[in-house]
Amino acid sequence: GAVVSQHPSRVICKSGTSVKIECRSLDFQATTMFWYRQFPKKSLMLMATSNEGSKATYEQGVEKDKFLINHASLTLSTLTVTSAHPEDSSFYICSASLGADSYNEQFFGPGTRLTVL
Amino acid sequence: AQSVTQLDSHVSVSEGTPVLLRCNYSSSYSPSLFWYVQHPNKGLQLLLKYTSAATLVKGINGFEAEFKKSETSFHLTKPSAHMSDAAEYFCVVSAPGYSTLTFGKGTMLLVSP
Repeated sequence: GAVVSQHPSRVICKSGTSVKIECRSLDFQATTMFWYRQFPKKSLMLMATSNEGSKATYEQGVEKDKFLINHASLTLSTLTVTSAHPEDSSFYICSASLGADSYNEQFFGPGTRLTVL
Repeated sequence: AQSVTQLDSHVSVSEGTPVLLRCNYSSSYSPSLFWYVQHPNKGLQLLLKYTSAATLVKGINGFEAEFKKSETSFHLTKPSAHMSDAAEYFCVVSAPGYSTLTFGKGTMLLVSP
């Protein structure tokens, strides 16, 4: 099956710093990548959808200046949490798909645990 | 609008006994429905999906789910649990043709010897 990796798997940073998380599709070209956030004992919440070469589409309530998403190639998308604060601590999960609709299966990465001190 | 309710946060079974993970959905259109499994430190894996074809959907690892429109349910079942089935399971709903997936809160399946 298709494999999606995330790096790093865990990151601890100081408040006010920026953190970049990478999402890679290892064996297929992903037209669309998705970024999710998962709080403890909560479901995954979609943050944004990005298509290669174009600006990401953010869900309502997600600050696009805080969570910068870049999808520069068909195999790589990055999420940068700018000026991180303790409330940004969470589990961030990406997924990659061949297309933007639900008929195209989303393949999920293993997630990145962000802790902001 | 769409939503998913997973009725149990934890389900405990013994190895070899049946598994039932319950899911109810709410949707203003004919939904697509999915079950994903998440093992520790692994990405979510698709178990099965319903997209308006047969109401009984067979997935990987012996799992299956039945779409019941009258009950707005999409429960996940397996006849005989295996230790390797222990994981978190998510029921997910989506509008057909749209990318937004709405996740339930998850059900942790615990399997004892």
